[in-house]
This record gives sequence, C-alpha cells and structure tokens, in this order.
Amino acid sequence: SQQGEEDPQALSIQEGENATMNCSYKTSINNLQWYRQNSGRGLVHLILIRSNEREKHSGRLRVTLDTSKKSSSLLITASRAADTASYFCATVYSSASKIIFGSGTRLSIRP
Amino acid sequence: EPEVTQTPSHQVTQMGQEVILRCVPISNHLYFYWYRQILGQKVEFLVSFYNNEISEKSEIFDDQFSVERPDGSNFTLKIRSTKLEDSAMYFCASREGGRGSGNTIYFGEGSWLTVV
Repeated sequence: SQQGEEDPQALSIQEGENATMNCSYKTSINNLQWYRQNSGRGLVHLILIRSNEREKHSGRLRVTLDTSKKSSSLLITASRAADTASYFCATVYSSASKIIFGSGTRLSIRP
Repeated sequence: EPEVTQTPSHQVTQMGQEVILRCVPISNHLYFYWYRQILGQKVEFLVSFYNNEISEKSEIFDDQFSVERPDGSNFTLKIRSTKLEDSAMYFCASREGGRGSGNTIYFGEGSWLTVV
C-alpha cells in the first residue's frame, strides 16, 4: 500500500500541551500534505512540505519530513480546544495525479 | 479566499436511483478530483480529471460512476444506480497545477449521500 499511515490513531492531551502526530509512507514522494477535518466537515489544508524540504512552520504548526525514513511529523504547539479534530497526512507521488490519505489521528484537547 | 463549493450538502436517495453531485472548483485550477469517505473510515481516492479527461481512477470508480465537466465551471460526479454501500461523504477537490503552491489540493465541504 502506498498511503501514509498516521500514529497514534488517537491522542488526548491537556489544553496548552504540544501534540505530535507521525506519518509513515512506503514509496518515494513528490510532496506530503497535512489536513485537518472537524467531525462531519470538509478537509482543511494545513501545510505542504516538498520532498527536498526537511522542516516547515506555519503559525503553531511545525512539520518535518525525513525522506530516508519515509516519515513525517506534525507538531501543534500550545494546543487549544479548537484544535480538536482528525488530522491526516496525504502523500503525493511523482505522477501527482492524486493524493493518498492515511487513516488519520483523532486529536482531543481536554480543557 | 477562493474555495471549492459543492452541492447538495446532503442528499437522500432511493437505492437504484441516479445521483449527480456537483462541484465548482477554484476558478484557475486545472486538476480536479473526487474522493469519498464512508462514515468513520479513511478518505478514499475515486478519480482525477485533467484536460477534459480522466487522468486516473481507483478500483472503486467502476462503471456506475462517471465524471463530467459540462461547462467552464462545474465538475460533476454521477452515480448511475446507487447502492446502499455508496452512502458516504463525497469530496470534490482541485489544484492549480505546476510546481510549488500549485501542488496544494483544496477540498470542498463535501456532499453527504445517504442511500436508503
């Protein structure tokens, strides 16, 4: 299977703590994207990291990519209740005609 | 900010009926996609579309499914004879194309299809 797989499947942390989610994939990629999905809603694009990049920041988000290990991580710092959602990594391969989603991490932020 | 819009947001249909889900991709985008997500499961790729033809399709996208870009703005997914297992959220997506930010794929809010 080519798709990224996230771990953990579920994560519950206290508000204010940092949340780290990991994604692994199996074949060489063009880029990797992280999305957020609130329950019953659409997929919101968070950040894209290209295969020649190692780290990227956007606000409270930090994404790393290790192509040698075929893995990526998403760090959300100083979590808030509004961060409660499912987070998916999605991998784009050289053909770039589609992205493949992992199973997602369900993040719950406790007040 | 430009966005992908989908209609209807929710549709209930009888098994065996035809359904058309509509999408308006972001205006300068060239690549279009349909994905689906069965309740509680992962987001699955259905089909990609570029230059007025299908680029790639998954095993899910069988003869019951078809896509069309009938004019310069709409992109539709048709399910000819719906089955109970077609009940899912269907997402349309688009991307600009090219390198860099053109690789970012933007999704609509989805169309909930319930087959009864």
